[in-house]
Amino acid sequence: DAGVTQSPTHLIKTRGQQVTLRCSPISGHKSVSWYQQVLGQGPQFIFQYYEKEERGRGNFPDRFSARQFPNYSSELNVNALLLGDSALYLCASTLDYRGAAGYTFGSGTRLTVV
Amino acid sequence: KQEVTQIPAALSVPEGENLVLNCSFTDSAIYNLQWFRQDPGKGLTSLLLIQSSQREQTSGRLNASLDKSSGRSTLYIAASQPGDSATYLCALSPTSGTYKYIFGTGTRLKVLA
Repeated sequence: DAGVTQSPTHLIKTRGQQVTLRCSPISGHKSVSWYQQVLGQGPQFIFQYYEKEERGRGNFPDRFSARQFPNYSSELNVNALLLGDSALYLCASTLDYRGAAGYTFGSGTRLTVV
Repeated sequence: KQEVTQIPAALSVPEGENLVLNCSFTDSAIYNLQWFRQDPGKGLTSLLLIQSSQREQTSGRLNASLDKSSGRSTLYIAASQPGDSATYLCALSPTSGTYKYIFGTGTRLKVLA
């Protein structure tokens, strides 16, 4: 079985641009969460989606948005990019919204804003 | 507010040594705790999951323990190898509120051959 897949793996954008990151969860997993990891820090929670509904949002500005599709894949959108948005963006999938069986993370998308 | 701390931030040990990585948290109301490994520039690889009703989990050379009353989890690595060199992160989810993981800042381990 394929794990959590994220695309693209690397991305370079200019300040002010918009970016869309994609994530496909493990087959059968209905919850997807997004995390931002800046260099030298632990990942920070951005969003959780379960059954296509937002179940949680971290302390990020409204420039960050996400959605989940009927096949449970998800997109993270970031508008008006700032240099500080440069980070590794990680997607995690869980079987249920509680994460009782733990989280499985993808390999991440490295976003560089110049 | 739950805070997760990992000390030390970095550790270098000779090959073959047994070692313990520490994870401390401020609120004992946790749902589960998971240890991850992260290689430079890569995603997170799950090592061990401890649910709140459990005290420890073992996989191969790895053993993780959880003591909610003292706010501590430890990851024990036996007979360390150069391939164990990576950053180790602990993450936990609270019992209430948003079902998210709160991560520590990690311990960067280097095992010297």
